[in-house]
Amino acid sequence: SQQGEEDPQALSIQEGENATMNCSYKTSINNLQWYRQNSGRGLVHLILIRSNEREKHSGRLRVTLDTSKKSSSLLITASRAADTASYFCATDTSGGYQKVTFGTGTKLQVIP
Amino acid sequence: NAGVMQNPRHLVRRRGQEARLRCSPMKGHSHVYWYRQLPEEGLKFMVYLQKENIIDESGMPKERFSAEFPKEGPSILRIQQVVRGDSAAYFCASSPPDRGHGYTFGSGTRLTVV
Repeated sequence: SQQGEEDPQALSIQEGENATMNCSYKTSINNLQWYRQNSGRGLVHLILIRSNEREKHSGRLRVTLDTSKKSSSLLITASRAADTASYFCATDTSGGYQKVTFGTGTKLQVIP
Repeated sequence: NAGVMQNPRHLVRRRGQEARLRCSPMKGHSHVYWYRQLPEEGLKFMVYLQKENIIDESGMPKERFSAEFPKEGPSILRIQQVVRGDSAAYFCASSPPDRGHGYTFGSGTRLTVV
C-alpha cells in the first residue's frame, strides 16, 4: 500500500495565489521529499526535509514536517501558470538503506 | 552531466514479446531504482539495485520481470512475454551512496503492449 497520501487530490487556483498540499504517512521516516511531475515527464526533486527538521524553504516553496502527526505540507507562494503539475510526497522510511515510497499525488492547476 | 538517461522513450510490443528498458544513472550515482506508473496514479516501487547487486526487489512481480545493473553498462529492466497489463510508464532514478539527496529521475519509458 502507498506510504503517503496527498490531500487534496486536485487543486485549482488563480495565478498569484498560494497553493497548499498536504501529505500523511504511516511509518517512521528518515526523511520526506517532494517532487513535481509535469504531464508525461519524469519527476523533478524539489525539496527534502529530514525527520529532525520542522520547516524548510527553497525559493517560493515552504515545507513543514510534523512527525508526531506523521504529516507534511508543501506551500507554493505566488503561484505561476508554470507551476501547473502533479506534486508527490515521498518518504524514505527508516532502515538500513534509502528506499523512497511515493504518495498518490496532488494535481495542481494554476489558471493564468 | 547528462543526468539519468532512459531509452527508449517509447516502446511498443505485441503480447508475448520481450521488452528491454535501459537506464544509465547520473555520473557518480551508484544506486538505481525502477518505478512503474500507471495513468493518473503515483509511482510504485519495483526494484533497487547497486552495481552487480539486487538490494531490494520487493516490488517486482515474481514472474516475467527481472532487473540487472552490471559492472559495465546501463541497468536493464526486462519484461518477458508482455501482456496488456504491463502497459505503463517505467521510470528509473539514481542517487549517490549517501542518504539525504533525493533521487534524480529519467524521463521514463512508455511501454505500450498491443
